[in-house]
Amino acid sequence: AQTVTQSQPEMSVQEAETVTLSCTYDTSENNYYLFWYKQPPSRQMILVIRQEAYKQQNATENRFSVNFQKAAKSFSLKISDSQLGDTAMYFCAFITSGTYKYIFGTGTRLKVLA
Amino acid sequence: NAGVMQNPRHLVRRRGQEARLRCSPMKGHSHVYWYRQLPEEGLKFMVYLQKENIIDESGMPKERFSAEFPKEGPSILRIQQVVRGDSAAYFCASSPPAGTDYQETQYFGPGTRLLVL
Repeated sequence: AQTVTQSQPEMSVQEAETVTLSCTYDTSENNYYLFWYKQPPSRQMILVIRQEAYKQQNATENRFSVNFQKAAKSFSLKISDSQLGDTAMYFCAFITSGTYKYIFGTGTRLKVLA
Repeated sequence: NAGVMQNPRHLVRRRGQEARLRCSPMKGHSHVYWYRQLPEEGLKFMVYLQKENIIDESGMPKERFSAEFPKEGPSILRIQQVVRGDSAAYFCASSPPAGTDYQETQYFGPGTRLLVL
């Protein structure tokens, strides 16, 4: 069975600092996609970043970047220059190419401190 | 381009009543998914629909829950005879048609928080 594990239930970071959230997954598939979603206190699910497994280059979106290690099945999210608005739950998600069921991790609650 | 719309945002029901949750996908999207999020947990897949078709309802409880996506109008998730355990956030997502860029990416609505008293 495919699983997604986020081993850090809670984290905090000082404003303007950098923080890394970890995510590991388990699959026997070779073609898949990985995502990070942010869920602020409003509870809206917001797509942060997306990575195709066949691409070796790590995805980057402004202050957000990933460290994708396919062999290790690791997909960590780095947030640079943290801002108060980054305070949220962050969910890692996985989907096999050609399918539609997202598998979500249990989330990491990130608090950015002023 | 408006995002995925869900209403109501909050819904309170007493045990035994019916709950109807609505979802309008993003313009141009033909695939709709419903997920449930229990407190302090990640989202769990419930059902996948295309227009007038249920493609996969393997994540939906067999009793009391049903979903539809009619030719016209929003997708509806219906919960009959609600119980306290149904209290959760219900999220709808949509994705672009197959063969398009980002076809595997699901865009989520703001969710409906259901509270059963």
